[in-house]
Amino acid sequence: NAGVTQTPKFRVLKTGQSMTLLCAQDMNHEYMYWYRQDPGMGLRLIHYSVGEGTTAKGEVPDGYNVSRLKKQNFLLGLESAAPSQTSVYFCASRTGGSQPQHFGDGTRLSIL
Amino acid sequence: AQKVTQAQTEISVVEKEDVTLDCVYETRDTTYYLFWYKQPPSGELVFLIRRNSFDEQNEISGRYSWNFQKSTSSFNFTITASQVVDSAVYFCALSELYSGGGADGLTFGKGTHLIIQP
Repeated sequence: NAGVTQTPKFRVLKTGQSMTLLCAQDMNHEYMYWYRQDPGMGLRLIHYSVGEGTTAKGEVPDGYNVSRLKKQNFLLGLESAAPSQTSVYFCASRTGGSQPQHFGDGTRLSIL
Repeated sequence: AQKVTQAQTEISVVEKEDVTLDCVYETRDTTYYLFWYKQPPSGELVFLIRRNSFDEQNEISGRYSWNFQKSTSSFNFTITASQVVDSAVYFCALSELYSGGGADGLTFGKGTHLIIQP
């Protein structure tokens, strides 16, 4: 009963380093999303995907890249991490028909 | 552009009191969906309810109830006889069917931190 799994759960990076966050879902969902949550800001959409091989920008895409090579996986990349990217990152997925999004447990990322 | 406003940053009540969390939204679409999510101290996001713009019926689920009023663009959430386990951050969110790029990415409010004191 995994649902949406995010890897890693915690990570500390130095400014300028790169890393990739992995989101995996086992529900055969078409749609996948990456959000960031900052104190007092709620969750904001970074990028999303409507199916395998497709990606699109959300509200705050700058500094991030994504890929959806397999339907079950949605990767979020930081090419050159900046302290402003310190945040909690949530991945979500859903099936069609405006069904609710199912969220992973989050990745807490700190950029020093 | 769509917007969700949760004006109450933090609410503190004593256990067994009723509490209402306010949510006001803005959208140009006629077809949209509203959601409430709960984020307990452990950090995960838990889906509570989805409501579409054509259904203004109030909904009750146990101690939880939701009041959707299109005339005031509000989707308020009431917890009756609150319990300590209700302590969490609650988010209201909006999804537009057409303006949202066809993918229904959620626009979240900033959340209301609910504290239930024993």
